[in-house]
Amino acid sequence: DTAVSQTPKYLVTQMGNDKSIKCEQNLGHDTMYWYKQDSKKFLKIMFSYNNKELIINETVPNRFSPKSPDKAHLNLHINSLELGDSAVYFCASSQDRRRAFFGQGTRLTVV
Amino acid sequence: DAKTTQPPSMDCAEGRAANLPCNHSTISGNEYVYWYRQIHSQGPQYIIHGLKNNETNEMASLIITEDRKSSTLILPHATLRDTAVYYCIVRIPLGGGSQGNLIFGKGTKLSVKP
Repeated sequence: DTAVSQTPKYLVTQMGNDKSIKCEQNLGHDTMYWYKQDSKKFLKIMFSYNNKELIINETVPNRFSPKSPDKAHLNLHINSLELGDSAVYFCASSQDRRRAFFGQGTRLTVV
Repeated sequence: DAKTTQPPSMDCAEGRAANLPCNHSTISGNEYVYWYRQIHSQGPQYIIHGLKNNETNEMASLIITEDRKSSTLILPHATLRDTAVYYCIVRIPLGGGSQGNLIFGKGTKLSVKP
């Protein structure tokens, strides 16, 4: 069984659209994360979230918003997509901020 | 920003030990050293972590110097499938706020050659 799963795996969309990427973890972890990996392969944390606090990287535009319907899900909503948003987005989870498990990534292409 | 320094790339012959160094001279007393790797196009994968004692698991060994300012990840018998980018990260596992987050640097691209 996949521990951290993301959907879709690939997403191609036009500039200005609004899109969501879903993430689910079946590990019972209390903290989930979103990371962005750009074309230069740098992995940057965007958000970390548990049921107590949301930590936002200050460099993340407010067009990006995490939404957590329950403890096992942390979805990423992106409004008014821009070309620079093209990247691979990784979801991850951990328990008490220990070892983190990553999903396989969602490759977003904005055209 | 990442608090570690790693060589950008290394080569290793298949079947030999791969020794990946990491400098973390500003590490604080309650920060752990974590190692992750990312095989091409996949999500990062946890390898090992430690505080001050050397650690070993089924994947690798972690050697931390006595002053904790540097460490070495050892893959004892590298295979072609170990070709990946290896990241050394320092963090407080139970740190509140952003302290506990995994902050990735540029890592070391390890190429295992036949």
